[in-house]
Amino acid sequence: GAVVSQHPSRVICKSGTSVKIECRSLDFQATTMFWYRQFPKQSLMLMATSNEGSKATYEQGVEKDKFLINHASLTLSTLTVTSAHPEDSSFYICSAQRPGQLNTEAFFGQGTRLTVV
Amino acid sequence: AQSVSQHNHHVILSEAASLELGCNYSYGGTVNLFWYVQYPGQHLQLLLKYFSGDPLVKGIKGFEAEFIKSKFSFNLRKPSVQWSDTAEYFCAVGAWNQGGKLIFGQGTELSVKP
Repeated sequence: GAVVSQHPSRVICKSGTSVKIECRSLDFQATTMFWYRQFPKQSLMLMATSNEGSKATYEQGVEKDKFLINHASLTLSTLTVTSAHPEDSSFYICSAQRPGQLNTEAFFGQGTRLTVV
Repeated sequence: AQSVSQHNHHVILSEAASLELGCNYSYGGTVNLFWYVQYPGQHLQLLLKYFSGDPLVKGIKGFEAEFIKSKFSFNLRKPSVQWSDTAEYFCAVGAWNQGGKLIFGQGTELSVKP
């Protein structure tokens, strides 16, 4: 089966610094990846759609300058949380889907637990 | 607005009990429906999915779900739960032909007592 991998799985950073999270599709090329955020005891909220070779599409209310997304290759999308603050502490999860197969399931990474202190 | 609602936030069952987790969605179009499970410390795993065809779908680990279009529901069932089913369960909806862009329910935490 397809595998999506995120790195790191956990990160602790100081307030004001930036953190980069990587999402890789390991056995297929993903032209589109998705970034979600999950607060404790809450559901996953879609943040943005990452498109290879073009700008990401952000959901309403998500600050694009705060959460920078780069999808520079067909197997890698990165999410950079810039000038992180404690309220950015959350669980970030990416997903990817096989290209050309819109009506199939997405595969999720293991998530990244970000703690901003 | 599109939304997904899971009725139960926390369900506690004894082993061998039957399980039904409710999921209702609001969306004005054709949808794909999913149930994902998240075991403690692990990533989301797909339990089952519905795209078209038979509204009763069977997934892994003995789970099944029934799509009732008239009720906008996709409830998850298992006739006999095990301690290992303790996890968080998420219902998700995706618009037809919009790929992996999903709206998730708030999740249901299932605790199974041995």
